[in-house]
Amino acid sequence: DVKVTQSSRYLVKRTGEKVFLECVQDMDHENMFWYRQDPGLGLRLIYFSYDVKMKEKGDIPEGYSVSREKKERFSLILESASTNQTSMYLCASTTPRQGNSYEQYFGPGTRLTVT
Amino acid sequence: AQSVTQLGSHVSVSEGALVLLRCNYSSSVPPYLFWYVQYPNQGLQLLLKYTSAATLVKGINGFEAEFKKSETSFHLTKPSAHMSDAAEYFCAVGPGGATNKLIFGTGTLLAVQP
Repeated sequence: DVKVTQSSRYLVKRTGEKVFLECVQDMDHENMFWYRQDPGLGLRLIYFSYDVKMKEKGDIPEGYSVSREKKERFSLILESASTNQTSMYLCASTTPRQGNSYEQYFGPGTRLTVT
Repeated sequence: AQSVTQLGSHVSVSEGALVLLRCNYSSSVPPYLFWYVQYPNQGLQLLLKYTSAATLVKGINGFEAEFKKSETSFHLTKPSAHMSDAAEYFCAVGPGGATNKLIFGTGTLLAVQP
């Protein structure tokens, strides 16, 4: 079974704090993604990575950065948390290897509240 | 560019009634289509996927979806709703460009009334 884990299910941080959200997958997947989910807006892509140390901006990268030093781990960083970053954050992974259907495997999510 | 439209952000059905959740897509390349389900405070779980094989796709928990190219639709159905089907459902289309991105719809929240 593919497993994607996220470091915290619930997190409460103060405005201005630096926040790290960690994601680990155990399937040797090349591609990893960070989304945020807000009511009525669905899933919006923040950043994705297609290899170690490689990253690309998604649709809403402002206020976020990412790090991928090892293949299995993809970190999302909020440089200076703000209240409008209160949201559910979802990590996902997939592989471009032949036969894959682009299916993404999701972690359980981190519900972040910034006060 | 690819896009997905889910008609109806909230759908309510009675237990035992037909479930129909609508999804329309646009894609300039042959699409891969997905339905995911999200139970409260959980991540997304794959229900079913279309990958250019059979147009009628069966998934988990009794759900199925039919790919209709002429209508650019991929609606999700289940003949008889169960209370445990209450969740949010997301339709997605891929590939989104050279990388393995998926484009997600805004979701449909399904309520099942006793």
